Amino acid sequence: DTGVSQDPRHKITKRGQNVTFRCDPISEHNRLYWYRQTLGQGPEFLTYFQNEAQLEKSRLLSDRFSAERPKGSFSTLEIQRTEQGDSAMYLCASSPRRSQGEETQYFGPGTRLLVL
Amino acid sequence: KNEVEQSPQNLTAQEGEFITINCSYSVGISALHWLQQHPGGGIVSLFMLSSGKKKHGRLIATINIQEKHSSLHITASHPRDSAVYICAVRRVDSNYQLIWGAGTKLIIKP
Repeated sequence: DTGVSQDPRHKITKRGQNVTFRCDPISEHNRLYWYRQTLGQGPEFLTYFQNEAQLEKSRLLSDRFSAERPKGSFSTLEIQRTEQGDSAMYLCASSPRRSQGEETQYFGPGTRLLVL
Repeated sequence: KNEVEQSPQNLTAQEGEFITINCSYSVGISALHWLQQHPGGGIVSLFMLSSGKKKHGRLIATINIQEKHSSLHITASHPRDSAVYICAVRRVDSNYQLIWGAGTKLIIKP
């Protein structure tokens, strides 16, 4: 296990279609994060899992977005009825359990989404 | 006003120059991260600080909690240091969220 992996790396879709992205964290990491990054901006937090529990969800995440981590390992992020504004890089990160303030997040390569 | 601000937004320098990138924040934090993002999106965590100073190779990161300010320094810069450098803070009232700066795009010319 060499790090966090994401699939696919690129996705082009038509407006209105549904897309699903997958993230496989580093195997012993119990924390998993999803971020979205648009061109020229820093990543924006979307949601966070500790094991299989989704503990926090950003207000940025509309009802069209849903994330799951059913067995506390890999996670999926689904976007329904995609819009052109959803075009962005979707980043996944994982971290091991540490005391507060001692956590380093390890990032995957991202999935670049283009909605036409 | 953004909660995390970085300066400069863009920086071009010659190989060998000493580089400083600044980060200011306006919220209470429990930790501050410096990360490096390469073209194509890959993000690598460089430092996590809650006080003082850390050094790794040619990279040095400092933080002043009272002034709510952090700096990332690169000594003897090299073209392979060219990347976007991002400052992110963990709010003291959140275990999970990182609030990110917009990044500083650094280009080192040979």
